[in-house]
Amino acid sequence: DVKVTQSSRYLVKRTGEKVFLECVQDMDHENMFWYRQDPGLGLRLIYFSYDVKMKEKGDIPEGYSVSREKKERFSLILESASTNQTSMYLCASSLASLAVAPTGEQYFGPGTRLTVT
Amino acid sequence: KQEVTQIPAALSVPEGENLVLNCSFTDSAIYNLQWFRQDPGKGLTSLLLIQSSQREQTSGRLNASLDKSSGRSTLYIAASQPGDSATYLCAVPAGYTGNQFYFGTGTSLTVIP
Repeated sequence: DVKVTQSSRYLVKRTGEKVFLECVQDMDHENMFWYRQDPGLGLRLIYFSYDVKMKEKGDIPEGYSVSREKKERFSLILESASTNQTSMYLCASSLASLAVAPTGEQYFGPGTRLTVT
Repeated sequence: KQEVTQIPAALSVPEGENLVLNCSFTDSAIYNLQWFRQDPGKGLTSLLLIQSSQREQTSGRLNASLDKSSGRSTLYIAASQPGDSATYLCAVPAGYTGNQFYFGTGTSLTVIP
């Protein structure tokens, strides 16, 4: 079974702190994603990475950065946390699509509930 | 940009009832559609992935159908149980590579014992 783990289930940080959220997958997936989930807004993509050191912005990258130094690990960084970044953060991974038969099934981690006070 | 809609936002049914959850999308040029389940405060669990070449996919009491031309998918749950209570989300990939996904806001299902 695919396993995606996230470093913390719950996190409380103060405004202005630098925050690191880490995600690890054990299935050699090329693609990794960071989403945030807010009531009424659903899941919104922050960043995704399709290979080591490669990244692309999603729909809401402002205030966030990412790092992917190893294939299995994808980190989300809040350079200076703000109260509007209080949210549930979800990491996911998927195989890269194939030329003939795209796969793309996503597997999610358990989520990190971040509160910024 | 792809828009994914799930209606109703919430549904409450008595135990044992069969039910259908709906998902619609605006761009029919999709390569697959995935249904997820989310329990409160938890991550998403993949239920079914249905490829664009398929019309149906089944897993136990769950059956997902896909009609690309009309931009619709349904998730059928047979003989519902209280343990089925959760939020159900659908997602479609953006473009061919599947490197980005668009999600509906989900249907919150409550199965009453």
